[in-house]
Amino acid sequence: AQTVTQSQPEMSVQEAETVTLSCTYDTSESDYYLFWYKQPPSRQMILVIRQEAYKQQNATENRFSVNFQKAAKSFSLKISDSQLGDAAMYFCAYRSGFGNEKLTFGTGTRLTIIP
Amino acid sequence: KAGVTQTPRYLIKTRGQQVTLSCSPISGHRSVSWYQQTPGQGLQFLFEYFSETQRNKGNFPGRFSGRQFSNSRSEMNVSTLELGDSALYLCASSAGQGTGGANVLTFGAGSRLTVL
Repeated sequence: AQTVTQSQPEMSVQEAETVTLSCTYDTSESDYYLFWYKQPPSRQMILVIRQEAYKQQNATENRFSVNFQKAAKSFSLKISDSQLGDAAMYFCAYRSGFGNEKLTFGTGTRLTIIP
Repeated sequence: KAGVTQTPRYLIKTRGQQVTLSCSPISGHRSVSWYQQTPGQGLQFLFEYFSETQRNKGNFPGRFSGRQFSNSRSEMNVSTLELGDSALYLCASSAGQGTGGANVLTFGAGSRLTVL
């Protein structure tokens, strides 16, 4: 079974600074996808970024980028120029590449933005 | 394009009762998944439906059930409610065509269930 571990329950960053959230995972599969979701106080889960395991290039979406280390099974999220609206719970998630819609989530990291 | 709609947003039940939650996916999406979120257990997968068939099921007791209708709308039902069923229930939809990462899950705002 796949597992996802987020070892940082809470993180804080000054507004406009950069922060990195950590995620490691365990799987024996070769084809899979990794995601970062954001859950603000409104509770709606919002996709931040995704990474296909077969792609070596790290995904980037505006101020959000990942550092995907496949051999180390590490998938960290970097948020640049942090904004107050980035304050939320961030969840790392894994999905098998074999037509399975099931997401396995980590326990989440609560990110606080300090004005 | 309308998002994933979950109803009701909040509900309070007592132990032993049953509850039905509804999820309307994004138009054109055929896969609907359900997740339970609690402070203690985090986000846990309940089940996934695609074209009215349950494709995958998490490790929950039989009191938790679901179904999907021909218009892709889905319902989940919890019978004989227990205090531990208090949670945020999230629904997510995707195209579900088995092409993996291309099928990004879009979540609804959730239904907050409180069991007294």
